Amino acid sequence: EAQVTQNPRYLITVTGKKLTVTCSQNMNHEYMSWYRQDPGLGLRQIYYSMNVEVTDKGDVPEGYKVSRKEKRNFPLILESPSPNQTSLYFCASSFLITGELFFGEGSRLTVL
Amino acid sequence: AQSVTQLGSHVSVSEGALVLLRCNYSSSVPPYLFWYVQYPNQGLQLLLKYTSAATLVKGINGFEAEFKKSETSFHLTKPSAHMSDAAEYFCAVSDPGYSTLTFGKGTMLLVSP
Repeated sequence: EAQVTQNPRYLITVTGKKLTVTCSQNMNHEYMSWYRQDPGLGLRQIYYSMNVEVTDKGDVPEGYKVSRKEKRNFPLILESPSPNQTSLYFCASSFLITGELFFGEGSRLTVL
Repeated sequence: AQSVTQLGSHVSVSEGALVLLRCNYSSSVPPYLFWYVQYPNQGLQLLLKYTSAATLVKGINGFEAEFKKSETSFHLTKPSAHMSDAAEYFCAVSDPGYSTLTFGKGTMLLVSP
């Protein structure tokens, strides 16, 4: 089954404790992206990648890191989480030629 | 730079009534436009997209949208609402290279019996 898989789906952590949210897709998509969704703000892009070893900042990259060492994986790293990073995070992927994003089910992160 | 404005954070309709969700965009290049739907506790899924072919685009579940360049609009419609249409709807704009997709803030569609 074609899918984008994110883990963990739910996480409660404390300020400053490094964490990684994994994202994996099995559709051989070149493009992958991370978004955060906050009430009243819609989805805002954090980082995106157009291919292996190619990443770029989105609209809200501060406090986040990403890497794209393999085509299928695009982890989101929070080196020192803060409460303002409490949010619902979505990973998405697509073929560049179509632009149709496939989304994961989301990861709800709470930073205390 | 590109941006999307969705008019109305909430829209309420009765079952069987017309659904109209409004979207206006701003883009410095010919845009590609999308509507996505998000059901509770799920990720987003594509409803339809416009990529400079026909201006009237048909999507899944009976939805359609019309691209109007003069009005910079891409409103989503459905002739007859169903209870299962209750969800949050997002309009999005992309440059033709798809490198960045900018979303609107979303419109929650409420359908009453």
